[in-house]
Amino acid sequence: GENVEQHPSTLSVQEGDSAVIKCTYSDSASNYFPWYKQELGKRPQLIIDIRSNVGEKKDQRIAVTLNKTAKHFSLHITETQPEDSAVYFCAASYTRNFGNEKLTFGTGTRLTIIP
Amino acid sequence: AAGVIQSPRHLIKEKRETATLKCYPIPRHDTVYWYQQGPGQDPQFLISFYEKMQSDKGSIPDRFSAQQFSDYHSELNMSSLELGDSALYFCASSLRLAGGLDTQYFGPGTRLTVL
Repeated sequence: GENVEQHPSTLSVQEGDSAVIKCTYSDSASNYFPWYKQELGKRPQLIIDIRSNVGEKKDQRIAVTLNKTAKHFSLHITETQPEDSAVYFCAASYTRNFGNEKLTFGTGTRLTIIP
Repeated sequence: AAGVIQSPRHLIKEKRETATLKCYPIPRHDTVYWYQQGPGQDPQFLISFYEKMQSDKGSIPDRFSAQQFSDYHSELNMSSLELGDSALYFCASSLRLAGGLDTQYFGPGTRLTVL
């Protein structure tokens, strides 16, 4: 089955600086890679996702890059703000039969923005 | 926009009791996923349903069962509860798209505490 590794497990960044979180996956069949932000006790919220036919995607201060050959993808947050503090999970999924199947999550990164 | 609804939001049970968690997907979504998230852990996939049929199965104990009904809502039934079942249980829903790259949206979760 799929295995997703994520690092770092904790990250502290000065407000206004950039944050980068990296993930690697094992199953070359995986073709969908979402990133979720989760605040304590709350639901995971999708912040950005990328499909395997795209190398990079950007949405305002958030960007994701994908290297299919190396099987790794990264989340980049620029101009960080205190409200960016949360746990971030990467995930991988693949198409089986039809439709996306289960998400396999990384172990999470606790991001702290220092004012 | 309507989101995924889960009930109850909090549930306290004794060991060996049973519990039923309910999930109402986003309107028109045809796929439901269940995930279990222990304290400080990433969400772990339990089971999923597409058009009322089980589509995938993960690390779900035999003590647990689930189904999706004709109105697309889903229920997770948990019997012989153990202390280790204490966790956040998330339901997610999606709409299967051509090409199979659909997005999963999470509900607010049910916090189950087993005493």
